[in-house]
Amino acid sequence: KAGVTQTPRYLIKTRGQQVTLSCSPISGHRSVSWYQQTPGQGLQFLFEYFSETQRNKGNFPGRFSGRQFSNSRSEMNVSTLELGDSALYLCASSLQGINANTEAFFGQGTRLTVV
Amino acid sequence: AQSVTQPDIHITVSEGASLELRCNYSYGATPYLFWYVQSPGQGLQLLLKYFSGDTLVQGIKGFEAEFKRSQSSFNLRKPSVHWSDAAEYFCAVGVWSFQKLVFGTGTRLLVSP
Repeated sequence: KAGVTQTPRYLIKTRGQQVTLSCSPISGHRSVSWYQQTPGQGLQFLFEYFSETQRNKGNFPGRFSGRQFSNSRSEMNVSTLELGDSALYLCASSLQGINANTEAFFGQGTRLTVV
Repeated sequence: AQSVTQPDIHITVSEGASLELRCNYSYGATPYLFWYVQSPGQGLQLLLKYFSGDTLVQGIKGFEAEFKRSQSSFNLRKPSVHWSDAAEYFCAVGVWSFQKLVFGTGTRLLVSP
């Protein structure tokens, strides 16, 4: 069974540009979450999607957005990149989200560097 | 608000010695608790989880954790550490109402020969 696949693994972008990251969840999983990991702030929740609907969003500016497709694949977009957006972006998939019968599996992450 | 505290930023353990990583959580309802491990530049791998029932849970790689409601703790243990266990360990609480995981700041484990 394939795991969570994130592409690309590494990205270098210039300030002001935009970027799109992709996440393919484990087959059969309908919930996809995104997290940002930085040395200063640690792991922070960005948003969660289930069956193409965003159920919750973390405390990030509107430059951060996402979507989920009918095959459960998800993308997140960051517009007008800032230096502080440099981070490891992690995607997690689960059957139905956070509940008593499931757990989240993480991808390898996309390392975004903004210069 | 939900929070997770991992009081130890770094821990150094000799290979073969026992390990205990501390985790305290703040959550109003019955918590869903997790331990993840992260190797440098990699994603997070689930070690074990607690949803309900037996308060001592077994995980992969010989790890176990004990849920203590009275102490709001979920400490991770391993009886004998291997050099390959060197990594960063994250404790997390699952917040059902917001469909998110809240992570601690992590504990970096160093294993000395």
